[in-house]
Amino acid sequence: QITLKESGPTLVKPTQTLTLTCTFSGFSLSTSAVGVGWIRQPPGKALEWLTLIYWNADKRFRPSLKSRLTITKDTSKNQVVLTMTNMDPVDTATYFCARTSGRGSFDIWGQGTMVTVSS
Amino acid sequence: QSVLTQPPSVSAAPGQKVTISCSGSSSNIGNNYVSWYQQLPGTAPKLLIYDNNKRPSGIPDRFSGSKSGTSVTLDITGLQTGDEADYYCGTWDSSLTTVVFGGGTKLTVL
Repeated sequence: QITLKESGPTLVKPTQTLTLTCTFSGFSLSTSAVGVGWIRQPPGKALEWLTLIYWNADKRFRPSLKSRLTITKDTSKNQVVLTMTNMDPVDTATYFCARTSGRGSFDIWGQGTMVTVSS
Repeated sequence: QSVLTQPPSVSAAPGQKVTISCSGSSSNIGNNYVSWYQQLPGTAPKLLIYDNNKRPSGIPDRFSGSKSGTSVTLDITGLQTGDEADYYCGTWDSSLTTVVFGGGTKLTVL
């Protein structure tokens, strides 16, 4: 069974850095074509893709957020870590991590974690 | 404003068929595989269709996808009240070099 689960703070202050961890099981991030991405969803709004890291450490970023995002993987721990700097209230959203096994589709999603940005 | 355009809402009666459209351009839908996701209220999205028209294991054949040029459609037949959800299309955009999603379509089963 493949599962992913997001963890991290539920509340961050403006200008702070957000760090979220995606812990997964049931697959390996060293398998060819496999990747893990982060997608967020502001309350009542649509999905917004943020970033993606592949098995070979290749990374992709949303251009408008690239300067604020970092994504890393720890294959031995089955974890992917998202870092987003300079948080703003508009970054308030549910953050999902999800697996991709190629061709742009995310086949398994985590339950999501709600992050509120407020002073 | 989403790169992929979906109608905000659709509705139909139980047992009927509904079609949800998603339009894009040659840089996304026109030259890449498209996926569809179902998001039930308060839950994470779930993959319904991948590679334009393939269903993951466990997805009933009431759900089907098709593609023509720079548009795709999701058909849901034999509507059930449990199908009430938000539906999103998604694909890779070769020009933007990003994954792009549609704005979502809320399905109401009357």
